[in-house]
Amino acid sequence: QITLKESGPTLVKPTQTLTLTCTFSGFSLSTSGVGVGWIRQPPGKALEWLALIYWDDDKRYSPSLKSRLTITKDTSKNQVVLTMTNVDPVDTATYYCAQRLSGFDPWGQGTLVTVSS
Amino acid sequence: SYELTQPPSVSVSPGQTASITCSGDKLRDKYACWYQQKPGQSPVLVIYQDNKRPSGIPERFSGSNSGNTATLTISGTQAMDEADYYCQAWDSSAYVFGTGTKVTVL
Repeated sequence: QITLKESGPTLVKPTQTLTLTCTFSGFSLSTSGVGVGWIRQPPGKALEWLALIYWDDDKRYSPSLKSRLTITKDTSKNQVVLTMTNVDPVDTATYYCAQRLSGFDPWGQGTLVTVSS
Repeated sequence: SYELTQPPSVSVSPGQTASITCSGDKLRDKYACWYQQKPGQSPVLVIYQDNKRPSGIPERFSGSNSGNTATLTISGTQAMDEADYYCQAWDSSAYVFGTGTKVTVL
């Protein structure tokens, strides 16, 4: 059974850096073709893809957020970390991680991050 | 940047067929996926590679992709299918999600 779980702060101040961790089980990020992605969803709004890291450490970022995002992996710990710099209240959202193989499947439960002073 | 456009809402009677469209430039040249999201829950993949169903997804969910439009079809719609649906595709090294469609089963 594949599971993913997001963790990180629930409240972040504007201009700070947000660090989120995705801890997964049931698959290995060293297996060819596998990736882990981050997707967010502001309250009441649509899904927005943020970043993805592949088994071979290839990394892809949303063009609109590329300058603020960094994605890394720790294969031995089964973790993927996303950092977002200089957060703003518009970054308030539920952040999800998901395995990417043939589409994003499955997804974690999501973690709500609020950006407020 | 690439955009995928969906109708905001679709209404369907129980037992009838619901069709949800997803429009994007030359979408036929890309694989489309579809996700179902019920209130308070994480999205679930229901269609990948245009028309393939993951294990555990009912046969009433089907997909197609032609021209500039991908379509998710729910045949014999049930009350449990009431949810938000999002299409998704890959373009120029970036993943893109559609604007989302709320399906209401009346």
